[in-house]
Amino acid sequence: DTAVSQTPKYLVTQMGNDKSIKCEQNLGHDTMYWYKQDSKKFLKIMFSYNNKELIINETVPNRFSPKSPDKAHLNLHINSLELGDSAVYFCASSHTHDGGGYTFGSGTRLTVV
Amino acid sequence: AQSVTQPDIHITVSEGASLELRCNYSYGATPYLFWYVQSPGQGLQLLLKYFSGDTLVQGIKGFEAEFKRSQSSFNLRKPSVHWSDAAEYFCAVGQNTGFQKLVFGTGTRLLVSP
Repeated sequence: DTAVSQTPKYLVTQMGNDKSIKCEQNLGHDTMYWYKQDSKKFLKIMFSYNNKELIINETVPNRFSPKSPDKAHLNLHINSLELGDSAVYFCASSHTHDGGGYTFGSGTRLTVV
Repeated sequence: AQSVTQPDIHITVSEGASLELRCNYSYGATPYLFWYVQSPGQGLQLLLKYFSGDTLVQGIKGFEAEFKRSQSSFNLRKPSVHWSDAAEYFCAVGQNTGFQKLVFGTGTRLLVSP
């Protein structure tokens, strides 16, 4: 299936731990994104990579570090997790410049306890 | 910077009735506009998009939206709502140059009553 796939779907962890979320797309897109959706459903962009190069880096704590080994993968590593990091994290991808809109993954629900 | 306002937090519509979800945007030039739908526990699915040309755009699942530049609006409509349309709907605006960064509205939750 052509899609954006994220793993894991659910992640429950204790404060202070380090965790990673993985994202892969097989759509041939050259741009990938991480969005955070808070408890009120508000979606805010965190990062964007184009062909492995970081192009958007919003005001995000430096505990969050994205990594793109190739243009089909974009992972998100979070250090020293805090309660406020609890949210749903969505990966998405698109073609640059064609304004085609994003294809989203199904999300990773992160709960920090 | 672009921004989006969805003034209705939630709307309840009877099954079979018509639907209109409001979206107002702020952007200096002609924007790219999108509507996405999110079912519970799911990711976001693109319903339709506007870039240029005909201001009335058709999307999937029987939805349509109309771009009105004078009102900075991009309202979503459906003539007859089905129970399966109950979900969260997000309007988004993107810039028409450079790398895309979609800015989303706060969403409207649609409830469908029998």
